[in-house]
Amino acid sequence: DAGVIQSPRHEVTEMGQEVTLRCKPISGHDYLFWYRQTMMRGLELLIYFNNNVPIDDSGMPEDRFSAKMPNASFSTLKIQPSEPRDSAVYFCASNWRGGRGTQYFGPGTRLTVL
Amino acid sequence: QQQVKQSPQSLIVQKGGISIINCAYENTAFDYFPWYQQFPGKGPALLIAIRPDVSEKKEGRFTISFNKSAKQFSLHIMDSQPGDSATYFCSGGGADGLTFGKGTHLIIQP
Repeated sequence: DAGVIQSPRHEVTEMGQEVTLRCKPISGHDYLFWYRQTMMRGLELLIYFNNNVPIDDSGMPEDRFSAKMPNASFSTLKIQPSEPRDSAVYFCASNWRGGRGTQYFGPGTRLTVL
Repeated sequence: QQQVKQSPQSLIVQKGGISIINCAYENTAFDYFPWYQQFPGKGPALLIAIRPDVSEKKEGRFTISFNKSAKQFSLHIMDSQPGDSATYFCSGGGADGLTFGKGTHLIIQP
């Protein structure tokens, strides 16, 4: 298996622009997680899905952030409009057991908002 | 999300020494405690994990010690090697997902 795939790997955009991050989970996994990593706040869970349904989005910072999972093999995290404080590395992870099992992380998307 | 507090924030250990990272949790509903290792430019990867019904788990040079009554657990790296230099995250998991500590940046000096 190719592992969790994320695209793009790097994104540089200007404040106010829309940003879309993409994730393909490992085939057969029914949980998908989106995390944000910064030096100040560490690794934060933004939202997670089970069987394509959002279960907990309490970590989503504000209405500018939205996430979708239209099918079992694809998810997006969208920021609109983007702000400099959104600059971070965004990780997608997937697994079979939710919070009780090994999470397999993708390589991350490094987002820079100028 | 309930917190998982991790210390120290950074740690420098000589090659061959013992690296110790400590964590404390609040949520008694956690029933899975994994440690993740992250190298620069990579996503975190599972290193070792423990469930609260055991007090210790060892895999090679890596050992988790778990104290359920104190709600604390720690990672010990024996005979630390330069290749162990990475960021380590403790975490607590359960039905509501996984909560990570802030991470420990470990440097092993040759």
